[in-house]
Amino acid sequence: GESVGLHLPTLSVQEGDNSIINCAYSNSASDYFIWYKQESGKGPQFIIDIRSNMDKRQGQRVTVLLNKTVKHLSLQIAATQPGDSAVYFCAESLYGQNFVFGPGTRLSVLP
Amino acid sequence: DAGITQSPRHKVTETGTPVTLRCHQTENHRYMYWYRQDPGHGLRLIHYSYGVKDTDKGEVSDGYSVSRSKTEDFLLTLESATSSQTSVYFCASVQGQGADEQFFGPGTRLTVL
Repeated sequence: GESVGLHLPTLSVQEGDNSIINCAYSNSASDYFIWYKQESGKGPQFIIDIRSNMDKRQGQRVTVLLNKTVKHLSLQIAATQPGDSAVYFCAESLYGQNFVFGPGTRLSVLP
Repeated sequence: DAGITQSPRHKVTETGTPVTLRCHQTENHRYMYWYRQDPGHGLRLIHYSYGVKDTDKGEVSDGYSVSRSKTEDFLLTLESATSSQTSVYFCASVQGQGADEQFFGPGTRLTVL
């Protein structure tokens, strides 16, 4: 398939548990952030975004937290399901231009 | 999902040969991007376009050129492929710029022998 990342950090969680995936971003001036999900053989898929004037945003089963003090972003997935197994990565940008992507974390959901 | 396709999906070529990858979107998006994805690096921007005939370089543009003659098509060309260009290439598009999600194509796996 078209996924890469054989040596990514892996997070293993039990089905039904909550997952927390972390991301350290590089530019303190970045003002817009996105979390993407990438399944094997597919392109990245938008999950949730957050602007720098917010510290928390919730979607369906997902929450993104932004800590600008330490340049840290996290993605929380509630009641993790087998279909959540994928590589997750964050992206940061300034004024919505030229996103910089993190290397990603592989989420493995155990039955 | 936005209608973004890439062709070919897989290609094996030899060092020194020219290669062109095509990205086609049916969403009338103004902005289009080419990325490469390699282990340990995440997605890195090669080139982007902010309109027909308007393109600019990204982080890793050396050895690549692009063209955008129509809104829906964005071509990436490797004039003389090298083994370091073996990668998975993704195209993306977005309508506006500034807090807009990018829609990605399915990717092209390119192997340069």
